[in-house]
Amino acid sequence: GAVVSQHPSWVICKSGTSVKIECRSLDFQATTMFWYRQFPKQSLMLMATSNEGSKATYEQGVEKDKFLINHASLTLSTLTVTSAHPEDSSFYICSARVRGLNTRNSYNEQFFGPGTRLTVL
Amino acid sequence: GIQVEQSPPDLILQEGANSTLRCNFSDSVNNLQWFHQNPWGQLINLFYIPSGTKQNGRLSATTVATERYSLLYISSSQTTDSGVYFCAVAPSYSSASKIIFGSGTRLSIRP
Repeated sequence: GAVVSQHPSWVICKSGTSVKIECRSLDFQATTMFWYRQFPKQSLMLMATSNEGSKATYEQGVEKDKFLINHASLTLSTLTVTSAHPEDSSFYICSARVRGLNTRNSYNEQFFGPGTRLTVL
Repeated sequence: GIQVEQSPPDLILQEGANSTLRCNFSDSVNNLQWFHQNPWGQLINLFYIPSGTKQNGRLSATTVATERYSLLYISSSQTTDSGVYFCAVAPSYSSASKIIFGSGTRLSIRP
């Protein structure tokens, strides 16, 4: 249980184009999903919290017009990198929260997707 | 905000060795998770452990919440244990359910 998928797993695009990344919870409903960014040999940095049916909450320093987040259903959140530039190249990872107490006897545990490697030329 | 520090930053061991990874945090937490990030980038949930001790095969973890630290023990290391180990915490002062990651411990197991 608690499987999260991401698509695509990798993408190469030209500077100036927009790229959409999908994050899905496959076997549970996720009212809250999270988007992280990870540069090589660094830790994960939270970009934004995605709430189903409402606007995303962005962390300080993250441009909301640059990184558009849509949480259209209880199993799908999307991140669109608009007008991508080489400095946006990174590993983007989503997670989904299993709300409340679950069968693993954990509370609000997060499960992660496999990540999307974005390269902007 | 809360500070999450992991040590050591890097660890190189021979197969079969045991290791202890540490996670210190600067404020009280509601949630603490340990993850293993494999070479392909996937984060694998190891433990959800805001307090107490848990064991899963060769791995075990202990969190002493009152002293604000957690330990991850790996026994009889295998080459497949290589990767980066992260701890992540949810601060008690935050109503949001977000978690803050430590800087990680990069573990290399040599055959």
